[in-house]
Amino acid sequence: SAVISQKPSRDICQRGTSLTIQCQVDSQVTMMFWYRQQPGQSLTLIATANQGSEATYESGFVIDKFPISRPNLTFSTLTVSNMSPEDSSIYLCSADKGGQEKLFFGSGTQLSVL
Amino acid sequence: SQQGEEDPQALSIQEGENATMNCSYKTSINNLQWYRQNSGRGLVHLILIRSNEREKHSGRLRVTLDTSKKSSSLLITASRAADTASYFCATEATGANSKLTFGKGITLSVRP
Repeated sequence: SAVISQKPSRDICQRGTSLTIQCQVDSQVTMMFWYRQQPGQSLTLIATANQGSEATYESGFVIDKFPISRPNLTFSTLTVSNMSPEDSSIYLCSADKGGQEKLFFGSGTQLSVL
Repeated sequence: SQQGEEDPQALSIQEGENATMNCSYKTSINNLQWYRQNSGRGLVHLILIRSNEREKHSGRLRVTLDTSKKSSSLLITASRAADTASYFCATEATGANSKLTFGKGITLSVRP
């Protein structure tokens, strides 16, 4: 299994500012993913965080808005840049240990933008 | 676009009853998974069924998969108040390499 620590757990931010969310896994993992979950809705994949290279973004998400880092096999960050109220959401990181075919999730970051 | 669509959207049952949740999807898949999310928390993996499997059990959970109908069901037997949560089906499309697409989720309430 894998235990994922995600922080902050929640934040209230002002419009136009940026927030960086950190995700630390207790063991090396192959794939890491960032999802967004709007209130009462499903999860939408933002991007795949690739170790040592640029993240792979899904349609509708761009690097300038959601820059992602993955410096090693246990850590990743997602930045929500130039925030607007529409960015208010829960952001979740997840990881795949390779060969297990299932995802482990962090506890999420609840972001409110005023 | 959303791959999985669950129904019902919300389900309320009495403790001890069985809960059945359904999921439909659109494309060919490697596997289908069910996750649970307690309010304000991350998702927890419950069970995975591969495309060449038809039924799987894990404790009080039973999942079925019908690839001809592109549908799955999750049965929770002898439900408990602690089963109250949102349940999501997620599919790994063929060639998706661990990328999952989640359905909209079902809110299950189990009354004590």
